[in-house]
Amino acid sequence: GQQLNQSPQSMFIQEGEDVSMNCTSSSIFNTWLWYKQDPGEGPVLLIALYKAGELTSNGRLTAQFGITRKDSFLNISASIPSDVGIYFCAGQKGGGADGLTFGKGTHLIIQP
Amino acid sequence: EAGVTQSPTHLIKTRGQQATLRCSPISGHTSVYWYQQALGLGLQFLLWYDEGEERNRGNFPPRFSGRQFPNYSSELNVNALELEDSALYLCASSFIRANVLTFGAGSRLTVL
Repeated sequence: GQQLNQSPQSMFIQEGEDVSMNCTSSSIFNTWLWYKQDPGEGPVLLIALYKAGELTSNGRLTAQFGITRKDSFLNISASIPSDVGIYFCAGQKGGGADGLTFGKGTHLIIQP
Repeated sequence: EAGVTQSPTHLIKTRGQQATLRCSPISGHTSVYWYQQALGLGLQFLLWYDEGEERNRGNFPPRFSGRQFPNYSSELNVNALELEDSALYLCASSFIRANVLTFGAGSRLTVL
């Protein structure tokens, strides 16, 4: 099946630091989605990207759809304790959500 | 508006038994998706139901099955449980052919 390489696998940062994570694929995707999963909860959609080169912000979060359509990144500025969780990228070639391929997630841990 | 609800929250079974997990989608959503989230493996697509029909299934054996009821709620059944079936099972719903999913909090299945 399709594979998404999401990195880093985990991040240990100090509160206030900026965070950057990315996903790459050998396949072209038409849509990139970024989800966050809090402990004990299901993933929640953060940002959806539909066009190559698109740069979209949601508060302190910024995500970009790579020009090659094979990658995407997510940046979080000035991290706060509630940013802790697992961040997943998901790519889709077309059709419905059954075609979504998820990355393995980036665990964000904020050290006191 | 109620989100996607799943039950039970936790379920403990032994090898060879059967497990049944339930999901109620967001009102108005006709599509229900099931994902398996095993440790370190990200989200793996299991099944997609829409309008009472199975529309697609992921790369899982036939002992993973389910159904969707006329009220669009859904059941996931796992027969002949194996130890590696231990995971968080997430249900998500959407409008048909939409790629943005709303997830429930999941059902944690432990197989001993």
